Amino acid sequence: GAGVSQTPSNKVTEKGKYVELRCDPISGHTALYWYRQSLGQGPEFLIYFQGTGAADDSGLPNDRFFAVRPEGSVSTLKIQRTERGDSAVYLCASSSRDRDTQYFGPGTRLTVL
Amino acid sequence: AQSVAQPEDQVNVAEGNPLTVKCTYSVSGNPYLFWYVQYPNRGLQFLLKYITGDNLVKGSYGFEAEFNKSQTSFHLKKPSALVSDSALYFCAVRDSGGSYIPTFGRGTSLIVHP
Repeated sequence: GAGVSQTPSNKVTEKGKYVELRCDPISGHTALYWYRQSLGQGPEFLIYFQGTGAADDSGLPNDRFFAVRPEGSVSTLKIQRTERGDSAVYLCASSSRDRDTQYFGPGTRLTVL
Repeated sequence: AQSVAQPEDQVNVAEGNPLTVKCTYSVSGNPYLFWYVQYPNRGLQFLLKYITGDNLVKGSYGFEAEFNKSQTSFHLKKPSALVSDSALYFCAVRDSGGSYIPTFGRGTSLIVHP
């Protein structure tokens, strides 16, 4: 079946601009996670949704970052006033009842010039 | 707090030889431990996990990992490496009494030479 998909695969933007990154989880998966992966690092947790609500947003670095999942399926990560330090690969993952097995998407590579 | 250390940035092994990728962890309670693999320009793929039970866990693609509580380690192993195993490997841990969010290590690049 279809895995986790993320769009766009690459996004280049200018400092100060607003960007939206989209994640389509595996159908039926109720849990959805966003991570950020910088070069040479492991994934760093950003936010976790259970259904439509953010169960844990403790990883969001500041109030420029926001994520939604209005219908409990697709999620959008929104970054306002982008900074060069936001450049990274943004990974999305989803899981079913077994929260300890996460299925990752291919990621969106964000470059802020 | 929970943390993971992968002490080797890179591991080199000849095809057909056994491989080991090291991981040590720190948690307050009981650990849940994971290994993921990342191929170039791809997302992470789940390999295996230790939750409870047998200390030797078998996973995908012939990989296995051994949980050692006294050494707080969870090393990834494979008896005979393939060139196609060349990739980035990430160890992760979460506290069984905590949230579902794992903490990942920095990753180890495995290079299998023909």
